[in-house]
Amino acid sequence: EEQLVESGGGLVQPGGSLRLSCAASGFTFRRHWISWVRQAPGKGLEWVAYIKEDGSEKYYVDSVKGRFTISRDNAKNSLYLQMNSLRAEDTAVYYCARDKGSRSGMDVWGQGTTVTVSS
Amino acid sequence: DIQMTQSPSTLSASVGDRVTITCRASQSFNDWLAWYQQKPGKAPKLLIYKASSLESGVPSRFSGSGSGTEFTLTINSLQPDDFATYYCQQYNSWTFGQGTKVEIK
Repeated sequence: EEQLVESGGGLVQPGGSLRLSCAASGFTFRRHWISWVRQAPGKGLEWVAYIKEDGSEKYYVDSVKGRFTISRDNAKNSLYLQMNSLRAEDTAVYYCARDKGSRSGMDVWGQGTTVTVSS
Repeated sequence: DIQMTQSPSTLSASVGDRVTITCRASQSFNDWLAWYQQKPGKAPKLLIYKASSLESGVPSRFSGSGSGTEFTLTINSLQPDDFATYYCQQYNSWTFGQGTKVEIK
């Protein structure tokens, strides 16, 4: 079964840091772009970051540029999101999602991990 | 960046109805548009990709169409399992629409 499993969420104070992880299984991880997508409580989906198969290209939504870093370790079939200088508005469920390929949508999603930024 | 405006934000419908959701882009782009279904507490599910291609395993009552700046998701003969929130996503800069909640009338 093709699967993504996120971990690393939790409660953090404003200005703090957190590192999310996403473990892939059941497919060839190194052949896919992977993204992070978040959803604030009661709100819609927001794309956060994307990383190319080999990690050579990375893209971010403007609101996280300079604060968040996406990375991957293809040997470990793992994706990461380092989040620094966290703000209350970063509070959300964070999903990792596999790109289907050829700009065809995200076809495999994790169950999500919750990040709460609060004092 | 291309902005996506989805309408309506809420839609009340009955089982058996035909439902149409629209996504309009702030500028024209190719057919790199996807549609997702999300149920409360669950991850989104890909329904349609490249504007009109049905994802494997998705019932044929779901269809997508459109080009340029206007795209639509149609659900023919709405089923009880279809009451959910639907999102479009353009793949030029990966922006999602605001979502459309399909409620029971």
